[in-house]
Amino acid sequence: DTGVSQNPRHKITKRGQNVTFRCDPISEHNRLYWYRQTLGQGPEFLTYFQNEAQLEKSRLLSDRFSAERPKGSFSTLEIQRTEQGDSAMYLCASSFAGNTEAFFGQGTRLTVV
Amino acid sequence: LAKTTQPISMDSYEGQEVNITCSHNNIATNDYITWYQQFPSQGPRFIIQGYKTKVTNEVASLFIPADRKSSTLSLPRVSLSDTAVYYCLVGPLYNNNDMRFGAGTRLTVKP
Repeated sequence: DTGVSQNPRHKITKRGQNVTFRCDPISEHNRLYWYRQTLGQGPEFLTYFQNEAQLEKSRLLSDRFSAERPKGSFSTLEIQRTEQGDSAMYLCASSFAGNTEAFFGQGTRLTVV
Repeated sequence: LAKTTQPISMDSYEGQEVNITCSHNNIATNDYITWYQQFPSQGPRFIIQGYKTKVTNEVASLFIPADRKSSTLSLPRVSLSDTAVYYCLVGPLYNNNDMRFGAGTRLTVKP
């Protein structure tokens, strides 16, 4: 296992289009987190899963955002009807439950034009 | 969740020891202190974690005074490759649902 993998690394999309990102966590980890990061800011928490259950969602996660983690393995983050303000780096992390040593992927950089 | 305050930026020179302090006046009894490092265009990387006194690993040391209202990340003999943003997080270890990152401290190491 080489760590947390995110795909694609970069995505350019037109405003109004839907996009989906994928995260493959470290296989033994039961927690999976999604964050969004804009230039000069720290990562902002979006949501997290424990196994397949989505246990918490930030108010930042509007109705246009949805995340899934079927079977408690990989996760997808979908953004519908993208807006220019959605342009950011989307980071995924995984950890064991009850451990704040989380491992992050390299992120997916989204640019909405 | 306890709020954290860190300096926005710090400069240092190669070979020096760098100390980055984080204030967390409202830290709770069951909160731990965790530090992450982030390079440009990469995800954050766990550096060190502690509850009280001193913790040391191969990368850094973490000093936590008795009142736990602050903590200091110490990087010995920094090099240019230590230029990064450093984040201090405070939260419970076993019920840490959402790790909250602040703006962090941007460390620049100069030759």
